[in-house]
Amino acid sequence: AQSVTQLGSHVSVSEGALVLLRCNYSSSVPPYLFWYVQYPNQGLQLLLKYTSAATLVKGINGFEAEFKKSETSFHLTKPSAHMSDAAEYFCAVTSDTGRRALTFGSGTRLQVQP
Amino acid sequence: EPEVTQTPSHQVTQMGQEVILRCVPISNHLYFYWYRQILGQKVEFLVSFYNNEISEKSEIFDDQFSVERPDGSNFTLKIRSTKLEDSAMYFCASSRNREPFYEQYFGPGTRLTVT
Repeated sequence: AQSVTQLGSHVSVSEGALVLLRCNYSSSVPPYLFWYVQYPNQGLQLLLKYTSAATLVKGINGFEAEFKKSETSFHLTKPSAHMSDAAEYFCAVTSDTGRRALTFGSGTRLQVQP
Repeated sequence: EPEVTQTPSHQVTQMGQEVILRCVPISNHLYFYWYRQILGQKVEFLVSFYNNEISEKSEIFDDQFSVERPDGSNFTLKIRSTKLEDSAMYFCASSRNREPFYEQYFGPGTRLTVT
């Protein structure tokens, strides 16, 4: 079985500060990992994904994430927060077991203070 | 840029009534999914659909639920007899390929309220 844990249901940063959203996964087989963002009243939009190529993955809007197998982590970072980054962020996992379903974490709501 | 669309954006229904949630996946996509998110909880997988049949379903997807691709563009989720606990945001998604690392594109969701 696969699972994802996102530490911190709410994270607040100042505009221009580093954003760090934490995601730890559990999977008995090599995982594929995704970060999605949900803006108010919108669907889930893919930020970036890890598919066993480079461990440091760059995504849209200046976000990146590093896959660390030894720590079973896939934390999302952005060097400098912008007001428009305020949204809910979801980490998700799937794998090559034949399943296509994504297993999501509980989400982290990011607030950006001026 | 192509996108997944869903109608209606908000549906209110009474307990015991049937509802049909509609989705139009991206046109060249082959895999279709339904997920739901109960307020304050995780996004949960319901069902995936490929080649006109269910390929995978979760334990949530019981006999009250069914999916259909009635024509070449729509993908529907039917709840036969709604319960209060079916109140949730329902997301449709589609992906171009069956490989698990292909992105699933999500629609904006239908908020279902069962009273």
